[in-house]
Amino acid sequence: KQEVTQIPAALSVPEGENLVLNCSFTDSAIYNLQWFRQDPGKGLTSLLLIQSSQREQTSGRLNASLDKSSGRSTLYIAASQPGDSATYLCAAEGGSEKLVFGKGTKLTVNP
Amino acid sequence: GEEVAQTPKHLVRGEGQKAKLYCAPIKGHSYVFWYQQVLKNEFKFLISFQNENVFDETGMPKERFSAKCLPNSPCSLEIQATKLEDSAVYFCASSLDRANYGYTFGSGTRLTVV
Repeated sequence: KQEVTQIPAALSVPEGENLVLNCSFTDSAIYNLQWFRQDPGKGLTSLLLIQSSQREQTSGRLNASLDKSSGRSTLYIAASQPGDSATYLCAAEGGSEKLVFGKGTKLTVNP
Repeated sequence: GEEVAQTPKHLVRGEGQKAKLYCAPIKGHSYVFWYQQVLKNEFKFLISFQNENVFDETGMPKERFSAKCLPNSPCSLEIQATKLEDSAVYFCASSLDRANYGYTFGSGTRLTVV
């Protein structure tokens, strides 16, 4: 059974700092891994999708990496801004053909 | 449209009442998924569809929960005889091709059972 863990559970940084959010998964046989952002009381916004054959994806200030052999993915946020404050969720899709979510990292970027 | 539309945004039901939630997937997406988000960001998979066919229903509490995706109609998730523990945000997601495009989520329906 796939389990997804995100560390840390919460992170507070000053504006402008570069930061890394971590995601680990127990079953390396995944099809893809997707990072989402959730604002309080809102839905999920897809940030990046990394297919199993890829090692990283980039979108603007965001870069996500995937290492299937070690069961890890990281989300790198460059030059953080207060508007980046949200909960970041990673979700892995494996042979069960459904997403398994971590519990998220709550990010606060202080002005 | 390019968004997954969920209605209503909020729903309040007395314990024992029925609740029905709706989801209109993105046009052309053949996969639809329902997830339940409870406290502390726990997402629980409920059911998935490929077109109008149930693909995986391993997460559904079958005695009270049912779901449908019929042609030319929004998908629906129905809870008979709601319980306090059903209070959660229910998210619908759709996908064209999960491997290449991932999932697009709706904004959710917050169900409160009182």
